Amino acid sequence: SQTIHQWPATLVQPVGSPLSLECTVEGTSNPNLYWYRQAAGRGLQLLFYSVGIGQISSEVPQNLSASRPQDRQFILSSKKLLLSDSGFYLCAWSEGLASHEQYFGPGTRLTVT
Amino acid sequence: GDSVTQMEGPVTLSEEAFLTINCTYTATGYPSLFWYVQYPGEGLQLLLKATKADDKGSNKGFEATYRKETTSFHLEKGSVQVSDSAVYFCALITGGFKTIFGAGTRLFVKA
Repeated sequence: SQTIHQWPATLVQPVGSPLSLECTVEGTSNPNLYWYRQAAGRGLQLLFYSVGIGQISSEVPQNLSASRPQDRQFILSSKKLLLSDSGFYLCAWSEGLASHEQYFGPGTRLTVT
Repeated sequence: GDSVTQMEGPVTLSEEAFLTINCTYTATGYPSLFWYVQYPGEGLQLLLKATKADDKGSNKGFEATYRKETTSFHLEKGSVQVSDSAVYFCALITGGFKTIFGAGTRLFVKA
């Protein structure tokens, strides 16, 4: 069966520090991968998605970047965090176009101080 | 562009009450429709889905029917439990790789 992992689960970082969040998927190959941000009490904002290694689509211009160095690994990064980067970050995957539902990881709670 | 509109929460109900969370959508083409649920501190889980008009998705006592004529996909449950307290997201996809999510509706169920 497929599983999706995210780490760390929680993170407290000072303003101006770098960020690296990692997401890995097991049990499937060539998944579509997604990064979302959920601000407190709000809906989901799609940040990036990837349909293959090295292919990244950015939805919202901002302080963040994403990379996909391996088929089932998706990394969210920042060189210098802003206070507004605080939130709950969710990674998700889906299979091609045949099955459109997305499967979400447990999330990372990021607090920028 | 495509969009999803959900009723604003929070919705507060007593245990065993009937639940309806309204969802309407705007989309080109023929979207697939979904309800996701998010329990406190967790990621989202797929609750149910419907891929064509008049389909009814169901799971764990929840139901939603894909109504093309009213562009709606309302979530219902006949008797809610405290454990149903969560945030519920309506979503659609019209092909491609992006899912459009509603803003979410928080449900509180009191014992």
